Amino acid sequence: SQTIHQWPATLVQPVGSPLSLECTVEGTSNPNLYWYRQAAGRGLQLLFYSVGIGQISSEVPQNLSASRPQDRQFILSSKKLLLSDSGFYLCAWSRGGTLSYEQYFGPGTRLTVT
Amino acid sequence: QQPVQSPQAVILREGEDAVINCSSSKALYSVHWYRQKHGEAPVFLMILLKGGEQKGHDKISASFNEKKQQSSLYLTASQLSYSGTYFCGTELYGGSQGNLIFGKGTKLSVKP
Repeated sequence: SQTIHQWPATLVQPVGSPLSLECTVEGTSNPNLYWYRQAAGRGLQLLFYSVGIGQISSEVPQNLSASRPQDRQFILSSKKLLLSDSGFYLCAWSRGGTLSYEQYFGPGTRLTVT
Repeated sequence: QQPVQSPQAVILREGEDAVINCSSSKALYSVHWYRQKHGEAPVFLMILLKGGEQKGHDKISASFNEKKQQSSLYLTASQLSYSGTYFCGTELYGGSQGNLIFGKGTKLSVKP
């Protein structure tokens, strides 16, 4: 069966500090990978998606970046955090291909920028 | 492009029914439904790929009206475990495959 991991689970970082969140998927190959952010009481905002190693597309211009160094690893980074970067960050995966498949979410990282 | 969900919130007694609507201003390729409990990740409920498609499992079902660019989620004989926030995610025709635009959610509270 497939599982998705995210870490850390919670993070408190000062403004201006760097960020690195990691997501890994097990039990599947060549998945589509997604990073979402959810502000308190809000919906899910797609930040980045990837259909393969090294292939990253950004949906929202901001001070965040993403990388996919391995097939089942997705990393979200920032060089300098802003207060507005606080939120619940969710990684998700779906089967790759041309059809529309359901997405499965990781447990999330709750980030507080102080 | 963000779909509009209605109502924003609903309170039910156990056993009552509810309908949650999701409406888009753009042509839709698919509609996904997810439920999120407080502090947890969203959980997939179902996906509708074709206009007119209806799906369901247990007492939760959904329909997709492609012409009206709308989808509805039906919760029948609600249980306490149905409480949570329901999100629809829409995939647009001509958009990047698999990319979903989520609504703001509908908070459902089921009381005993």
